[in-house]
Amino acid sequence: GAVVSQHPSWVICKSGTSVKIECRSLDFQATTMFWYRQFPKQSLMLMATSNEGSKATYEQGVEKDKFLINHASLTLSTLTVTSAHPEDSSFYICSASLRGRETQYFGPGTRLLVL
Amino acid sequence: AQSVAQPEDQVNVAEGNPLTVKCTYSVSGNPYLFWYVQYPNRGLQFLLKYITGDNLVKGSYGFEAEFNKSQTSFHLKKPSALVSDSALYFCAVLTTGGGNKLTFGTGTQLKVEL
Repeated sequence: GAVVSQHPSWVICKSGTSVKIECRSLDFQATTMFWYRQFPKQSLMLMATSNEGSKATYEQGVEKDKFLINHASLTLSTLTVTSAHPEDSSFYICSASLRGRETQYFGPGTRLLVL
Repeated sequence: AQSVAQPEDQVNVAEGNPLTVKCTYSVSGNPYLFWYVQYPNRGLQFLLKYITGDNLVKGSYGFEAEFNKSQTSFHLKKPSALVSDSALYFCAVLTTGGGNKLTFGTGTQLKVEL
């Protein structure tokens, strides 16, 4: 149980285009989803917290207009990187948790390369 | 602010030997502590957590962790390491106010050799 999927697993795009990443909880309803960014050989940096049906809460320093997050249902959250630039290239990981539960379950990650 | 520290970037151990991956924490109040493992180009897999109760927590794949309040530590242990345990291990602490956010340590690369 507690499986989280991400799609796509990797994506290459041109600078200036937008990329959408999906995060799905497959066998549970995730009231909260989290989006992280991980640079090579570094830890995870929380970008934003997304609660179903409400606006995402972004961490300090994360541009809301650049990283659009939507959590329209209890099983799906999306992260859209708008007008992507090479510095946005990274490994993006989502996680999901049940209401009131502490444990986060992580997706397999999406590797983004912006050329 | 809540934080965890992993003092070792890398730990090397021979297969069959016991392993320890260290983590210390700094929190106000009672800590909610987690260990996750990450294999190359993959997301994180949950290993175990300490919320309350017994100081020795047993988790997945034969791992366990010991919560030590006096030393503010939560070291991950396994009695007998396997080559397949080689991966990146993260300790994390939960911030309970304002969204149940996890703060991760910098990670420790475990290498188990034959």
